[in-house]
Amino acid sequence: ILNVEQSPQSLHVQEGDSTNFTCSFPSSNFYALHWYRWETAKSPEALFVMTLNGDEKKKGRISATLNTKEGYSYLYIKGSQPEDSATYLCASSSGGSYIPTFGRGTSLIVHP
Amino acid sequence: NAGVMQNPRHLVRRRGQEARLRCSPMKGHSHVYWYRQLPEEGLKFMVYLQKENIIDESGMPKERFSAEFPKEGPSILRIQQVVRGDSAAYFCASSEVQGTGEQYFGPGTRLTVT
Repeated sequence: ILNVEQSPQSLHVQEGDSTNFTCSFPSSNFYALHWYRWETAKSPEALFVMTLNGDEKKKGRISATLNTKEGYSYLYIKGSQPEDSATYLCASSSGGSYIPTFGRGTSLIVHP
Repeated sequence: NAGVMQNPRHLVRRRGQEARLRCSPMKGHSHVYWYRQLPEEGLKFMVYLQKENIIDESGMPKERFSAEFPKEGPSILRIQQVVRGDSAAYFCASSEVQGTGEQYFGPGTRLTVT
């Protein structure tokens, strides 16, 4: 994998559903994986920074895992709420560069 | 503690004019990054600066674009002789440490070239 890829591109869920999305990134010379939450008309808000293989981070109902050997991270949202509706971006610093490369994001819409 | 500030929030320029975008990092942050979001695309890295130094400009177009981060004052992204293709949202982020440090984003400047 040469780029940072996120899937799915968009997701519609009902309030109360749990959901997860994937970020794939170059696994060679890995430095860090960032997750951001980006609401419309606002600036991206940092959720997690992960650096170690096997890292798991949690903030409220949102958690993330990291597998640096195979180059993927999962973001989980438990019991989705309408206010969770946003685009979730991941960015990877790897492949010999500290500069993060962003994926295109997963757009999550939670219906009440 | 004020977050990352960007101004103006919206900027309209005619083709051929100059655009100056300003970014004030969070207090205590000496690392600044500029990103561009073109319509229907994700955030693309442009340039990484520390005070008075350009560290990485691998994402900057070779012509018309320049950036600086002086000892005093905000970081400036300057686009000379703007063209319609420069219309985009430009975001600045700052971090306290280099490399894997958490980046904090500003609200962005939306540039429209008419």
